[in-house]
Amino acid sequence: GEDVEQSLFLSVREGDSSVINCTYTDSSSTYLYWYKQEPGAGLQLLTYIFSNMDMKQDQRLTVLLNKKDKHLSLRIADTQTGDSAIYFCAEIETSGTYKYIFGTGTRLKVLA
Amino acid sequence: DVKVTQSSRYLVKRTGEKVFLECVQDMDHENMFWYRQDPGLGLRLIYFSYDVKMKEKGDIPEGYSVSREKKERFSLILESASTNQTSMYLCASSEPTGNEQYFGPGTRLTVT
Repeated sequence: GEDVEQSLFLSVREGDSSVINCTYTDSSSTYLYWYKQEPGAGLQLLTYIFSNMDMKQDQRLTVLLNKKDKHLSLRIADTQTGDSAIYFCAEIETSGTYKYIFGTGTRLKVLA
Repeated sequence: DVKVTQSSRYLVKRTGEKVFLECVQDMDHENMFWYRQDPGLGLRLIYFSYDVKMKEKGDIPEGYSVSREKKERFSLILESASTNQTSMYLCASSEPTGNEQYFGPGTRLTVT
């Protein structure tokens, strides 16, 4: 079955760049997503990328997609303490049910 | 702004009790989802619904049932709560094409 994998933890210093990685299995996914979960809250969509794109930039966020290796990454430039959260990558099933498959989540801790 | 609300933020129940978790969304979304979130496992889909009175099993439906009598409301039912159902439960909704899911704040359920 489909599987989306992420490393569980990442720790960076304030002002550095953070790179969160994800591997997915469904090569026919149309969209790939990054969601952010702040402490005590639900998930919020951070950004997404179409599968025919290699890169998408949105202010401090850069998403890179390597379709050949089924690898997705999220780069946060100038990481701030407010970026501390759990980040989930997700792909969407293409069987018509629009079910998401979420990764395990990466807990980003930003050190002051 | 899309709003997804869940009936409780925290809930403590005893083993064997019947538990109802309620979710309401105000954006007239067709699709609604129930997930559970556990450390290291990410989000796992329990059930989803793409229309009133319609439901589909997700990846881990055992021990759960759902009800969708009105479009805006999707209920998750634990028929006989067990300690291994202690978890964070997240509800989400989306439009039919499902490009973005909107999440509620979550209910942290403890079964003792």
